Amino acid sequence: AAGVIQSPRHLIKEKRETATLKCYPIPRHDTVYWYQQGPGQDPQFLISFYEKMQSDKGSIPDRFSAQQFSDYHSELNMSSLELGDSALYFCASSPRDRDTSESSYEQYFGPGTRLTVT
Amino acid sequence: AQTVTQSQPEMSVQEAETVTLSCTYDTSENNYYLFWYKQPPSRQMILVIRQEAYKQQNATENRFSVNFQKAAKSFSLKISDSQLGDTAMYFCAFMKINRGSTLGRLYFGRGTQLTVWP
Repeated sequence: AAGVIQSPRHLIKEKRETATLKCYPIPRHDTVYWYQQGPGQDPQFLISFYEKMQSDKGSIPDRFSAQQFSDYHSELNMSSLELGDSALYFCASSPRDRDTSESSYEQYFGPGTRLTVT
Repeated sequence: AQTVTQSQPEMSVQEAETVTLSCTYDTSENNYYLFWYKQPPSRQMILVIRQEAYKQQNATENRFSVNFQKAAKSFSLKISDSQLGDTAMYFCAFMKINRGSTLGRLYFGRGTQLTVWP
């Protein structure tokens, strides 16, 4: 079965550089979530999109922006990178519930992108 | 705000034995989901089991079962017949339900590192 794809899997950047992380949800999943997991930390919700519109926003720095495209893939853009941005970034996708037409409760996680800022 | 607390940073169990991981949460919501996710050394987030708050019956998935006490806001995970492959970080997570909305962010606890030894 198809899974959530994230690219790149590993990324090394220097301080003040920019980075773009990509997420390709499972086919027919229309909701995408982004989470950040720092070293030894629990995942923290950043932002989510439903049908290409931002649906919820968490603790995402102003230096970060994200969007969901017409093919439902999503990109997380990070500028002016700081050492503290080094983390594992997860993308998760959800299908729409066939009965309620609402996003399902179940989130399918991608393998993550490990970002290292030096 | 929702908070999830896992009071056991680390636990260990011998192969074939049973272990219980604790989780408590705080919310004013009446309708929500609870999850246990597993994160092995590969760092992939894997859904282990889920529980709908409106269901009194405890969820079970093969060797994994939960003890859901809604009044006490407690949601523990029991792993029976532990296997070496169960070694992982286990995260308890909460999701509130908003009918007509797509808000489905997960709130995670800090995790419990479980080690299964031979």
